Amino acid sequence: NAGVTQTPKFRILKIGQSMTLQCTQDMNHNYMYWYRQDPGMGLKLIYYSVGAGITDKGEVPNGYNVSRSTTEDFPLRLELAAPSQTSVYFCASSYSPPTEAFFGQGTRLTVV
Amino acid sequence: EDQVTQSPEALRLQEGESSSLNCSYTVSGLRGLFWYRQDPGKGPEFLFTLYSAGEEKEKERLKATLTKKESFLHITAPKPEDSATYLCAVQPLIQGAQKLVFGQGTRLTINP
Repeated sequence: NAGVTQTPKFRILKIGQSMTLQCTQDMNHNYMYWYRQDPGMGLKLIYYSVGAGITDKGEVPNGYNVSRSTTEDFPLRLELAAPSQTSVYFCASSYSPPTEAFFGQGTRLTVV
Repeated sequence: EDQVTQSPEALRLQEGESSSLNCSYTVSGLRGLFWYRQDPGKGPEFLFTLYSAGEEKEKERLKATLTKKESFLHITAPKPEDSATYLCAVQPLIQGAQKLVFGQGTRLTINP
């Protein structure tokens, strides 16, 4: 049972490039989330999904896009990367709230 | 606006020296309060969920308590392996709101 798996673990992007952060979970959770964590700050919700085919914006969605075609996968797309998107990104999943969320190991992204 | 403030930002203790971490919150209604542990370079790991004032949960050397305005994470006779950042998060009781609102965390260091 792997839980929540994120790839890649590290990535350096140049300004204006695009990339997709991958997230998959094997717990059959309906709810999935993307957070970003900046130094000294709390985690901020980017996007979330309540099930396959359903996504919605969180607190900081600008510059990102998501899709949810299956229960297991919830990729995060960065278009036209900017230095402000330098951060650590965490994917998480849960059963119906307010149960606890399970987090992946994170992707450390640097935009230069 | 929903808000979570954790104090102190950082805390150094000697092994065996008990103390408490504070999480103050402001929400329109509380669906649940969560405590997570985060080790460097890792994703947050779930510790406790508290749902109503007066509730307490325990796990090894940790005990979490909840009032209407704040939560405490008490650590008794800590060991060096308890060193980590402890995150508090609340889930607001708003229809359709799936997000967790995180505090900035308390970085705990236990010296042997």
